[in-house]
Amino acid sequence: GAGVSQTPSNKVTEKGKYVELRCDPISGHTALYWYRQSLGQGPEFLIYFQGTGAADDSGLPNDRFFAVRPEGSVSTLKIQRTERGDSAVYLCASSLMSYEQYFGPGTRLTVT
Amino acid sequence: AQKVTQAQTEISVVEKEDVTLDCVYETRDTTYYLFWYKQPPSGELVFLIRRNSFDEQNEISGRYSWNFQKSTSSFNFTITASQVVDSAVYFCALIVSGGSYIPTFGRGTSLIVHP
Repeated sequence: GAGVSQTPSNKVTEKGKYVELRCDPISGHTALYWYRQSLGQGPEFLIYFQGTGAADDSGLPNDRFFAVRPEGSVSTLKIQRTERGDSAVYLCASSLMSYEQYFGPGTRLTVT
Repeated sequence: AQKVTQAQTEISVVEKEDVTLDCVYETRDTTYYLFWYKQPPSGELVFLIRRNSFDEQNEISGRYSWNFQKSTSSFNFTITASQVVDSAVYFCALIVSGGSYIPTFGRGTSLIVHP
């Protein structure tokens, strides 16, 4: 079956611009996670959805970052006023049983 | 707070060598899960194994084996007779039971297998 998909695969934007990153989870998975992975590091948790609601957003670095999952499936991570330090790979994962997460291929964001 | 340490940043071996990737974890919880993921150049993390804290049996899957030792808080991963296709970054991760099931990842070990 289809896995987790993320679009775009690559995004280059200028400092100060707004970007949206999309995640399509595995059908039926109720839990959805966003992570940020910088070069040479492991994934760092950003936000976790259970259904439509953000169950834990403690990993969002500041108020420029926001994520939604309005219908409990697709999720969008939104970054306002991007900064060069936001450059990273953004990973999405979905899960039916909470401790088994299936990851997408990620979106590589480059802020110039 | 939880912590996962992968002290080996990069390991380079020649094909057919055995290689062990180390993982040491810290948690005060008694119920937790340990994971290994593989991240090939394509970027997608591929699940390899999950162990829970009450099961210390070692596991073997083909050329892969895992050694879980609670006494030393370690969950090491061995690849026997390595192959070029094993080249990837490998991450160890820890989830404690309850809460949001948010994993704590180590920094990863980059394995390079030369032909």
